[in-house]
Amino acid sequence: ETGVTQTPRHLVMGMTNKKSLKCEQHLGHNAMYWYKQSAKKPLELMFVYSLEERVENNSVPSRFSPECPNSSHLFLHLHTLQPEDSALYLCASSHTGTVTYEQYFGPGTRLTVT
Amino acid sequence: SQKIEQNSEALNIQEGKTATLTCNYTNYSPAYLQWYRQDPGRGPVFLLLIRENEKEKRKERLKVTFDTTLKQSLFHITASQPADSATYLCALEESISGSARQLTFGSGTQLTVLP
Repeated sequence: ETGVTQTPRHLVMGMTNKKSLKCEQHLGHNAMYWYKQSAKKPLELMFVYSLEERVENNSVPSRFSPECPNSSHLFLHLHTLQPEDSALYLCASSHTGTVTYEQYFGPGTRLTVT
Repeated sequence: SQKIEQNSEALNIQEGKTATLTCNYTNYSPAYLQWYRQDPGRGPVFLLLIRENEKEKRKERLKVTFDTTLKQSLFHITASQPADSATYLCALEESISGSARQLTFGSGTQLTVLP
């Protein structure tokens, strides 16, 4: 256990559905991240929240909408997704400050868009 | 942004040998470089961090080197075991805004240690 949990672990949704992914960290960190991992491709950073403010969104399509209500919780709201959005979605957390810190990842949500 | 290349997608070695994985990057040298391990269907797990002014870092059977002239990091696993079989990811840190930092990951090297 890394101290970062994600639910659900698996999700199958149609292109017209709306769903949300949830992430929770129990490590006292103040930065949280969403990553997308597709087969044979590097981890792609989608969103960063540092001190509960969104810092970077890396030009992610608007069909992905993040929410960070407090430093322990992070959501990714999904709507009208495309089949190419099928991937492993990983949440991570870390301390943030003037030095760099390692990131702690959750187990991921395996998303399939049909 | 950084482009990161990790050597060959897959690497097979015999148990007991030393595995050496390579991470090359193309742009500026980051202040920090990290290595992670990822098992199938799971999130990456942090292994080691090395700073630009450190030539080498060790942790048990793991050793990382960082050469800012060559723009390269090497990751070594000595006395390898089948349990070391996994995908190993190199990640470079970039500052994006204020105190916020992001990691750019390589695509990983899948290591298989054969018994």
